[in-house]
Amino acid sequence: YDLTQPPSVSVSPGQTASITCSGDKLGNKYVSWYQQKPGQSPVLVIYQDKKRPSGIPERFSGSNSGNTATLTISGTQTMDEADYYCQAWDSSTLRVFGGGTKLTVL
Amino acid sequence: EAQLVESGGGLVQPGGSLRLSCAASGFTFSSYEMNWVRQAPGKGLEWVSYISSSGSTIYYADSVKGRFTISRDNAKNSLYLQMNSLRVEDTAVYYCARGGREQDYWGQGTLVTVSS
Repeated sequence: YDLTQPPSVSVSPGQTASITCSGDKLGNKYVSWYQQKPGQSPVLVIYQDKKRPSGIPERFSGSNSGNTATLTISGTQTMDEADYYCQAWDSSTLRVFGGGTKLTVL
Repeated sequence: EAQLVESGGGLVQPGGSLRLSCAASGFTFSSYEMNWVRQAPGKGLEWVSYISSSGSTIYYADSVKGRFTISRDNAKNSLYLQMNSLRVEDTAVYYCARGGREQDYWGQGTLVTVSS
């Protein structure tokens, strides 16, 4: 099972960034999103398609329908510059990651 | 707060073996599913293996099936990954991560380098 993400996305500070993740019938699976900054471990920012863990800013949101899941960052800040990975789960998919998207804020 | 600390990485020759450990603290380890996830230098995340809270259910990525073995000792709050028949392409930072459907805590990772 493959998940496809754009290699890179650019956004200006204060604008909205959208990062997509595509896979066959992805809307039928649970999707999580992870943020990874250089030299650091991944951090969970969205789980079960649209839930935010404690401590994650409200500007991070998620959706999942059809074949595409989307991570949206509203009012993007320079601190949000990082690599973002989607992950899908169901009993048959097990756990698979997308290839990652480098978000540049400039 | 939950903490995961990996150890056991290092340099090993192709065909060799290595055992990784992950020490858990700050939460009831025996109640949580656990995973190993790796990241090759400059590359993305790759899920490696999963183990249920009791250890009764285990899954592996096709790339490591038959060569890697995941295990846990709930009495010692520890997760393990026995890696045999290592290949150059197994070179990566290996993370242990807590959780089933999603991984909410990650360790700092341990680097495994497979090279002659």
